[in-house]
Amino acid sequence: DSGVTQTPKHLITATGQRVTLRCSPRSGDLSVYWYQQSLDQGLQFLIQYYNGEERAKGNILERFSAQQFPDLHSELNLSSLELGDSALYFCASSSRGVAGVDEQFFGPGTRLTVL
Amino acid sequence: DAKTTQPNSMESNEEEPVHLPCNHSTISGTDYIHWYRQLPSQGPEYVIHGLTSNVNNRMASLAIAEDRKSSTLILHRATLRDAAVYYCILRRGSQGNLIFGKGTKLSVKP
Repeated sequence: DSGVTQTPKHLITATGQRVTLRCSPRSGDLSVYWYQQSLDQGLQFLIQYYNGEERAKGNILERFSAQQFPDLHSELNLSSLELGDSALYFCASSSRGVAGVDEQFFGPGTRLTVL
Repeated sequence: DAKTTQPNSMESNEEEPVHLPCNHSTISGTDYIHWYRQLPSQGPEYVIHGLTSNVNNRMASLAIAEDRKSSTLILHRATLRDAAVYYCILRRGSQGNLIFGKGTKLSVKP
């Protein structure tokens, strides 16, 4: 158990819909990362927040957005869903999130299926 | 970002050592070498990291070539639980996120 929790575990929805994925980082970790894992693209970094502020952006679509709240939990919002958005979405946390030595702790993931 | 090259797959026997290679010929002086693994149906898990010197921890050892253009993750005694995809990742000192490649799928035979 990494200490990172993600809800829900599974999500099935239809094209065009909007969903919200939630992540609670390990106690004390200030940085949250979101990653997407699909069969064709592998594991891809989406976005990072550090203590409530956006720190880095990766291959995140404009239809996707995220935020980190004052209690440090984070939400990833996916809208106008397409079939290709079906994937595993992982959240990770780390204590500092800046230095290249930080260990990241990953949650169990949310499996999103878009029908 | 500097890239890494790993074999697609490797096989090992249980209780034998495993050497997982990684080439990173374009590594820069500020790049740390990180290894993560992903067991089936789980999120990635940190294994070890290093900069220039060899490193040991309870999970594995990391051997870094003198010119830093390659490294090897060493599992001293493979168990069935070590069957996973192993990712070798380069991280700049100022970079937070991980950039995953395809990794090496390690199979462990009893």
